[in-house]
Amino acid sequence: NAGVMQNPRHLVRRRGQEARLRCSPMKGHSHVYWYRQLPEEGLKFMVYLQKENIIDESGMPKERFSAEFPKEGPSILRIQQVVRGDSAAYFCASTTLAGVRGETQYFGPGTRLLVL
Amino acid sequence: DQQVKQNSPSLSVQEGRISILNCDYTNSMFDYFLWYKKYPAEGPTFLISISSIKDKNEDGRFTVFLNKSAKHLSLHIVPSQPGDSAVYFCAASLNAGGTSYGKLTFGQGTILTVHP
Repeated sequence: NAGVMQNPRHLVRRRGQEARLRCSPMKGHSHVYWYRQLPEEGLKFMVYLQKENIIDESGMPKERFSAEFPKEGPSILRIQQVVRGDSAAYFCASTTLAGVRGETQYFGPGTRLLVL
Repeated sequence: DQQVKQNSPSLSVQEGRISILNCDYTNSMFDYFLWYKKYPAEGPTFLISISSIKDKNEDGRFTVFLNKSAKHLSLHIVPSQPGDSAVYFCAASLNAGGTSYGKLTFGQGTILTVHP
């Protein structure tokens, strides 16, 4: 039973390029969260998605960032025109039910984005 | 606005002794608290959780204590083992069934080192 998978594990981009980060949730999980961890900080919530729906994007920067979770395939976090401040570790987590007390979020290994 | 704080960046403990990791929060609406463990280059792994209706939860060597009046929780690891060396994050979520959708607010993390 594979866990949450993220790819790529490491991504290097030059300023102005686009970054695409992929997350495949655990089998049977239809809820995905994305978190960002800046250096020396804790993880910060970005967006919560269900299949084909963005439910809560309150933690997502208003510009350049977008997320999707299509009916088929992985969830994708897309960062357009990356800047050095986007360098961070991006983690996704999945769960079977969202907002239910006791429902654990399972995290992937993360994608480490470095913007040169 | 750091709603969940781990004021000790690091903790060093001898093998076999007790490790106590602390966490404070400011938002009284948080009603579910979790501890995650994280190794370098991996995603956080769920350890133990506690609902706000309890003041203690125990799972093997791990016990979490919650003091709601002080808005403080702690994780006790007894006995500590070298394999426990990792970064420990506390996290909190708002009440289930509301519009928080289970998103987690993390502390900055505490690096635990257990010496043989």
